[in-house]
Amino acid sequence: KQEVTQIPAALSVPEGENLVLNCSFTDSAIYNLQWFRQDPGKGLTSLLLIQSSQREQTSGRLNASLDKSSGRSTLYIAASQPGDSATYLCAVPSGYSSASKIIFGSGTRLSIRP
Amino acid sequence: GAVVSQHPSRVICKSGTSVKIECRSLDFQATTMFWYRQFPKQSLMLMATSNEGSKATYEQGVEKDKFLINHASLTLSTLTVTSAHPEDSSFYICSAPSTDTQYFGPGTRLTVL
Repeated sequence: KQEVTQIPAALSVPEGENLVLNCSFTDSAIYNLQWFRQDPGKGLTSLLLIQSSQREQTSGRLNASLDKSSGRSTLYIAASQPGDSATYLCAVPSGYSSASKIIFGSGTRLSIRP
Repeated sequence: GAVVSQHPSRVICKSGTSVKIECRSLDFQATTMFWYRQFPKQSLMLMATSNEGSKATYEQGVEKDKFLINHASLTLSTLTVTSAHPEDSSFYICSAPSTDTQYFGPGTRLTVL
């Protein structure tokens, strides 16, 4: 049974710092891995989607890596800004298909101090 | 990209009433849709899988008679919370798979007084 874990549960850093959020999963046979952002009381915003055959994806100041063999993914945020404050969720499909139910990590609550 | 909508975005109801939440895939068809629930400060947990033209599949611990799911067309799934109670207050999010990934609706915040 796939399980997704995220550490740390919460992180507070001063503005401008680079930071790394971690995600681990127990079953390495994943179809893809997705990072989401969730603002308080809001829905999910998809940040990056890494397919099984890929090792990383980049979008602006965000870079996500994927190492299936070790069951890990990291989300790197460069030059953090107060607007980056949110909860970040890592998620993988439970089966080897985009139509499989999604298993979410518990999230990392990020706070960027001005 | 693909879009999934939910309606309503927010609902407040009295205890004992039923509430229907709609999930629509706007520009693609989905034979399967998923319903998730998120309690405050917790992650999303799958409640059930909605299957077009057949019965929904519920996760362990989710009461199928309380959370009625209907997937009558390839673009619409509905979740009805029957006889709602304050403990049902939560954020409900649906998703629909497309060819490459799943797309999530914006969520519905249910508050039961």
